[in-house]
Amino acid sequence: GAVVSQHPSRVICKSGTSVKIECRSLDFQATTMFWYRQFPKQSLMLMATSNEGSKATYEQGVEKDKFLINHASLTLSTLTVTSAHPEDSSFYICSARVPPTNYGYTFGSGTRLTVV
Amino acid sequence: GQQLNQSPQSMFIQEGEDVSMNCTSSSIFNTWLWYKQDPGEGPVLLIALYKAGELTSNGRLTAQFGITRKDSFLNISASIPSDVGIYFCAAPGQGGSEKLVFGKGTKLTVNP
Repeated sequence: GAVVSQHPSRVICKSGTSVKIECRSLDFQATTMFWYRQFPKQSLMLMATSNEGSKATYEQGVEKDKFLINHASLTLSTLTVTSAHPEDSSFYICSARVPPTNYGYTFGSGTRLTVV
Repeated sequence: GQQLNQSPQSMFIQEGEDVSMNCTSSSIFNTWLWYKQDPGEGPVLLIALYKAGELTSNGRLTAQFGITRKDSFLNISASIPSDVGIYFCAAPGQGGSEKLVFGKGTKLTVNP
């Protein structure tokens, strides 16, 4: 089946540093990937839609300069949290649409970011 | 905006019991998806429904796509401890949007 690999699974960084999270589609090409943020005991909140070869589309209220998204190939999208602060600590999850099914979305295993 | 109202918010059941949860919306959707999320993991697709009235099973799980296209339910029969987790309904947004709309989730606890 279609697999999305997300790394790292956990990361701790100091305030002010940047952290990169990778999302790879292992056995299919993903022209579109999605990045979510999830707070404890809450549902997934879509941050942005990542499109291969073009700029990401950010949801309202998400700072595009803080959460940099790059989708340089059909199998890799990255989310970089720049100048991280403790309030950026969260669970980040990526997702990709799996062709050719119309709405087969598969998710990565998530990244737990802790900013100290 | 489009919203999925998922209930119940949480459930505490005994092992062996059956479970039912549902999602409703004021909007019409053409696809309904049910996911399970374990702690510290990403959601895993359980069942996908593509046609109004469709009833689909996956082992002990059964889900139905409401005939009005505004609701869906998920049943789990003979629950076991590993059924513990958070269950989400989701549906692709309307107007050709690829974005998924999520319910707020149902947290299931199964007591052995």
